[in-house]
Amino acid sequence: EVQLVESGGGFVQPGGSLRLSCAASGFTFSTYWIHWVRQAPGKGLVWVSRINGDGSSTNYADSVKGRFTISRDNAKNTLYLQMNSLRAEDTAVYYCARAQNYGGYSFDYWGRGTLVTVSS
Amino acid sequence: SYVLTQPPSVSVAPGKTARITCGGNNIGNNSVHWYQQKPGQAPVLVVYDDSDRPSGIPERFSGSNSGNTATLTISRVEAGDEADYYCQVWDISSDHWVFGGGTKLTVL
Repeated sequence: EVQLVESGGGFVQPGGSLRLSCAASGFTFSTYWIHWVRQAPGKGLVWVSRINGDGSSTNYADSVKGRFTISRDNAKNTLYLQMNSLRAEDTAVYYCARAQNYGGYSFDYWGRGTLVTVSS
Repeated sequence: SYVLTQPPSVSVAPGKTARITCGGNNIGNNSVHWYQQKPGQAPVLVVYDDSDRPSGIPERFSGSNSGNTATLTISRVEAGDEADYYCQVWDISSDHWVFGGGTKLTVL
């Protein structure tokens, strides 16, 4: 059974840092692109970042570029999101999601999310 | 950046058909995916690549995509279909994934 489990969320002051993790199981982790998607309280889904299977290619939404870094450890089947210079508007539930390897690369499995709260 | 536009809300009576639209410039040239999200839960993929259904998704869920509009159609709507629905595409030009603003489906 495919599972994605996020952790690392919490409360942080503006300007602070946090590292999220996403532990994967039930599939060959290294062969899939993985994404981070966030959802502010009461708002819609927003794509944040993605990384390819071997970690050699990444991309970011403009709102987080230069502040967030996505990475992965395929030996540990784990995805990371290092978040620096956090702002109040980064407050959200952060989901990791697996992208299908074909077609339009839809997100076929999602974790339950981890909440990040940025506030003074 | 590519923009997807959804109506904020759609209401439908049980047993009827709900149609949720997703507008975008020449969206017919993209593969569109649809997600269902119930309160407090993670999104679930219900339609991918315009009209394909993942295993376990009822045949009542279908999709189409042409021109500037993609549509998610839910036939014989049930109370359990009440949720937020999001469309999504991969904007190849920017290598960004884009979500629509979401549509709240209310079953009357």
